[in-house]
Amino acid sequence: DVKVTQSSRYLVKRTGEKVFLECVQDMDHENMFWYRQDPGLGLRLIYFSYDVKMKEKGDIPEGYSVSREKKERFSLILESASTNQTSMYLCASSLTENEQFFGPGTRLTVL
Amino acid sequence: GEDVEQSLFLSVREGDSSVINCTYTDSSSTYLYWYKQEPGAGLQLLTYIFSNMDMKQDQRLTVLLNKKDKHLSLRIADTQTGDSAIYFCAESLDGGSQGNLIFGKGTKLSVKP
Repeated sequence: DVKVTQSSRYLVKRTGEKVFLECVQDMDHENMFWYRQDPGLGLRLIYFSYDVKMKEKGDIPEGYSVSREKKERFSLILESASTNQTSMYLCASSLTENEQFFGPGTRLTVL
Repeated sequence: GEDVEQSLFLSVREGDSSVINCTYTDSSSTYLYWYKQEPGAGLQLLTYIFSNMDMKQDQRLTVLLNKKDKHLSLRIADTQTGDSAIYFCAESLDGGSQGNLIFGKGTKLSVKP
């Protein structure tokens, strides 16, 4: 079974803190994705990566950066967390055009 | 740009059929997907259909694709309380070459006993 794990299920941070959200997949997938999910807005793509050290902006990259130093790990970084970044963050991985496999999500609250 | 539209809420009684509808815009989509999200969990692939198919059936699930109208539907027969979840429709972008998907906002299915 494909497994996508995220470092935390729940996270509470203060405004201005630097936040790292980690995602690891164990199926040697090339593509990895970070989404945020908000009520009434569905899933919005923040960044994606289709290879090590490659990254592409999604629909809402502002305020975020990413890192992909190893194929299995894709990190989402909030350089200076703000309250409007309170959200559910979902990581996914995929092999070309096949289905995306999702992690369980990290619910981030920024106070 | 590409967009996927679906209604936000659907309420049915246990034992009835549920039909969740979706419209999409990218005619080059190779695959169309239905994902299910249970409370507090990530998304899980429920089923998918290849763009050259009209229908796919998998136990209680039936997917219908009208490519001319860019309309996709998911029918759940004999809906159970365990089917209560948010259902996301998704289309593959740019023929799916990089695995990018465009998701709808999700339809919250409530099943009443």
